[in-house]
Amino acid sequence: SQTIHQWPATLVQPVGSPLSLECTVEGTSNPNLYWYRQAAGRGLQLLFYSVGIGQISSEVPQNLSASRPQDRQFILSSKKLLLSDSGFYLCAWSPGLAETQYFGPGTRLLVL
Amino acid sequence: AQSVTQLDSQVPVFEEAPVELRCNYSSSVSVYLFWYVQYPNQGLQLLLKYLSGSTLVKGINGFEAEFNKSQTSFHLRKPSVHISDTAEYFCAVSPFTGGFKTIFGAGTRLFVKA
Repeated sequence: SQTIHQWPATLVQPVGSPLSLECTVEGTSNPNLYWYRQAAGRGLQLLFYSVGIGQISSEVPQNLSASRPQDRQFILSSKKLLLSDSGFYLCAWSPGLAETQYFGPGTRLLVL
Repeated sequence: AQSVTQLDSQVPVFEEAPVELRCNYSSSVSVYLFWYVQYPNQGLQLLLKYLSGSTLVKGINGFEAEFNKSQTSFHLRKPSVHISDTAEYFCAVSPFTGGFKTIFGAGTRLFVKA
């Protein structure tokens, strides 16, 4: 069966520091991968999605970036965090673009 | 382009009462429809989905939803809720022609009271 992992689970970072969140999927190949942000009390905002290694589509211009160095690895990064980057970050995968998405447990990021 | 509107941001209900969470969408192409549930501090998980066929879809945990094409709605229902159903519920649509984008609604927080 397929599983999706995210780490860390919780992260507290100072403003201006770098960020690296990692997501890996097991039990499937060539998944579509997604990064979402969920601000407190708000819905999901799609940040990036990827249909293959090295292929990244950005949905929202901001100080975040994403990379997919391996088929089942998706990384969310920032060079300098802002206060507004605080939130709950969710990684997801799907077998096809319009199909069911399977979410990881999330990373709660607090920027102080 | 597609959009999803969840008409209620919060729905308080007593345990064992019925509940309906409303979802309306707009789209210029045909779409797949989904309901996801998010328990506190967790990721989302699929409750049910409509792809084609019968407009009444049954999902996990006793939930069901009915697709109404003329009203462009996909309301979620449960005849008797439990305390454990307290969570956030998201409606989502995905176009199955013309390229991707899954659009999520803003969510409805269901709060079940004893």
